[in-house]
Amino acid sequence: DAGVTQSPTHLIKTRGQQVTLRCSPKSGHDTVSWYQQALGQGPQFIFQYYEEEERQRGNFPDRFSGHQFPNYSSELNVNALLLGDSALYLCASSLNHYGYTFGSGTRLTVV
Amino acid sequence: GNSVTQMEGPVTLSEEAFLTINCTYTATGYPSLFWYVQYPGEGLQLLLKATKADDKGSNKGFEATYRKETTSFHLEKGSVQVSDSAVYFCALTSSQGGSEKLVFGKGTKLTVNP
Repeated sequence: DAGVTQSPTHLIKTRGQQVTLRCSPKSGHDTVSWYQQALGQGPQFIFQYYEEEERQRGNFPDRFSGHQFPNYSSELNVNALLLGDSALYLCASSLNHYGYTFGSGTRLTVV
Repeated sequence: GNSVTQMEGPVTLSEEAFLTINCTYTATGYPSLFWYVQYPGEGLQLLLKATKADDKGSNKGFEATYRKETTSFHLEKGSVQVSDSAVYFCALTSSQGGSEKLVFGKGTKLTVNP
């Protein structure tokens, strides 16, 4: 049984560019949450998707947007990248928002 | 708002030493409490959890007890191994608008030397 799959694993982008990160949830899970983990810090909640809608959002600017597809997979988009967006981006899936399983993350470096 | 405070790291121990990592929280309502572990270059793995006061979560020799009176959820292990070297995060779930999000502490890096 595959767990949460994230792609790509590593990514280097230039300031001002846009990036899309992808997440396939664990089989049977219907809810996807995204977290940003800066170096040496705990993960910070970005937003959560359920039934293809954003259900809750953390304290992140509108440059951060997302989408959930009918098969429950999800994308995180970040526009106008800043150096401060460099972080590990973690996807977590759950069944009806209970019992989270995390992926290994996408390491984004903005130069 | 809801928050989690962990003891500052890093923590360095010798193999077979006793481990305590302190965690206190601030939350409205009745949060569930968690400890997650992150090995180098990997994502987060759930180590243990407790969903109500006085519950004890345990896994792989680690234990933590949900103490509502002291708003604490300290992680303990009686005898650590080199393989326990990792970053440990205390977290709580905060219910809002029908969904739950995890609120994490800053993490405590543990290094166990042979």
